Amino acid sequence: SQELEQSPQSLIVQEGKNLTINCTSSKTLYGLYWYKQKYGEGLIFLMMLQKGGEEKSHEKITAKLDEKKQQSSLHITASQPSHAGIYLCGADNLGDDKIIFGKGTRLHILP
Amino acid sequence: KAGVTQTPRYLIKTRGQQVTLSCSPISGHRSVSWYQQTPGQGLQFLFEYFSETQRNKGNFPGRFSGRQFSNSRSEMNVSTLELGDSALYLCASSLGQPNSPLHFGNGTRLTVT
Repeated sequence: SQELEQSPQSLIVQEGKNLTINCTSSKTLYGLYWYKQKYGEGLIFLMMLQKGGEEKSHEKITAKLDEKKQQSSLHITASQPSHAGIYLCGADNLGDDKIIFGKGTRLHILP
Repeated sequence: KAGVTQTPRYLIKTRGQQVTLSCSPISGHRSVSWYQQTPGQGLQFLFEYFSETQRNKGNFPGRFSGRQFSNSRSEMNVSTLELGDSALYLCASSLGQPNSPLHFGNGTRLTVT
C-alpha cells in the first residue's frame, strides 16, 4: 500500500522566516491534500493538488506537486505565530477510496 | 454551514468496558470516515461509510465497529477496551467522490485506564 513520508518531523523557526515542509510518496499521487492541526483538535483542510506541476496558494502558504507526482512541498512565507501547529499531508490510496496520511510535521514559531 | 460535530469531546473508560462515539457530518455529505490518532502511529484509518454501507476498512481488530444512519450520522463502537485504545478519534465527512477533501471534526479524546 501507499506510504507518505514527511520531513522534517519537527521544525522550530524564528517568526518572520520562511520554511518548507516536504511530503514524499512511495507511489504516484493522484490527489494530495494538506491539512493543519492544532494540538488535540481536528484537521483543517488547507488545499488539494492533483496535477503534476500544480501550485496553489492560500494567504502566505504555497503548496506544489512535482511533475512526477510523487512529492509535494508546503512553503510558508514570513511565518507568524498563527502558523504554529502540525502539518499533515494526505493522499488518495489508489484503488480503495480511502485517504492515508503522513505522520505530520510539528511546526513551532519563536517570537 | 455547520461543520462536523463529534460527541463527546472527552471520555474516560476502564479496561474491558465498551464505548460509543458519535459523529454528525456536514449537511449534504454522505461519506463519513473514522481515524485513530496516536503520537506513535499518527493518523490510522479505521473505516469509511457511504450511504449506510461500509465501503472501506482499515487494519483494526473486530472490536472496532461502526455504522451509519439514513441521515448520514455515524457511530463508532469499541468493545472490550484495552489501554492501547487510548487515542484521539477523529471523524471526517466528505461528498464521497474521488478527490473530495475530508472535513474533520474536533475529535473525541478517549482515555482507557
